[in-house]
Amino acid sequence: IAGITQAPTSQILAAGRRMTLRCTQDMRHNAMYWYRQDLGLGLRLIHYSNTAGTTGKGEVPDGYSVSRANTDDFPLTLASAVPSQTSVYFCASSLSGTGSTDTQYFGPGTRLTVL
Amino acid sequence: QKEVEQDPGPLSVPEGAIVSLNCTYSNSAFQYFMWYRQYSRKGPELLMYTYSSGNKEDGRFTAQVDKSSKYISLFIRDSQPSDSATYLCAMRKPNTGNQFYFGTGTSLTVIP
Repeated sequence: IAGITQAPTSQILAAGRRMTLRCTQDMRHNAMYWYRQDLGLGLRLIHYSNTAGTTGKGEVPDGYSVSRANTDDFPLTLASAVPSQTSVYFCASSLSGTGSTDTQYFGPGTRLTVL
Repeated sequence: QKEVEQDPGPLSVPEGAIVSLNCTYSNSAFQYFMWYRQYSRKGPELLMYTYSSGNKEDGRFTAQVDKSSKYISLFIRDSQPSDSATYLCAMRKPNTGNQFYFGTGTSLTVIP
């Protein structure tokens, strides 16, 4: 089934630990995104990538890093997790990332708790 | 002030009711408007997309855009319990790459 997969589904992590959230899409979309969703704050963009080999910072990039080695995968890494990074993380993709009529498609999310 | 404002609700209606969900925005540069539906513990899914003022209909759903008032709405006719979800509006400016602006979402419950 075409779409976006994320792993893990949920994770409890000790503060200070390193964690990589995985995201894979099979729609051959050029652009991919990472959001965090927090109650009352909505979706906030962490990092994005318009095409393989390029990345950019979103609204809340601090404490997170990404890479885009190929079209399909866009992992998000927390180098040293802190409790404020407790959130639900969504990966998304869109066809072009720059097209005026571009729309985003979301994965199922990863629920992360940092203790 | 956030660029996109959305009443978080919660909104509770009886089955069969007409539901109106709304967002306001402050920047007239927004030209493309979307509504997403998010079920509990799931990712948002695209429901409707429009880029012009006026109405766009898809089954029981109608998206309405009033650019002069900077106001968008989603109407759900004959609401069903399966419509119970959080609805997020999203919008985008032309030529700004990947900057999507999301509302915080309105929680809707349709009571059988």
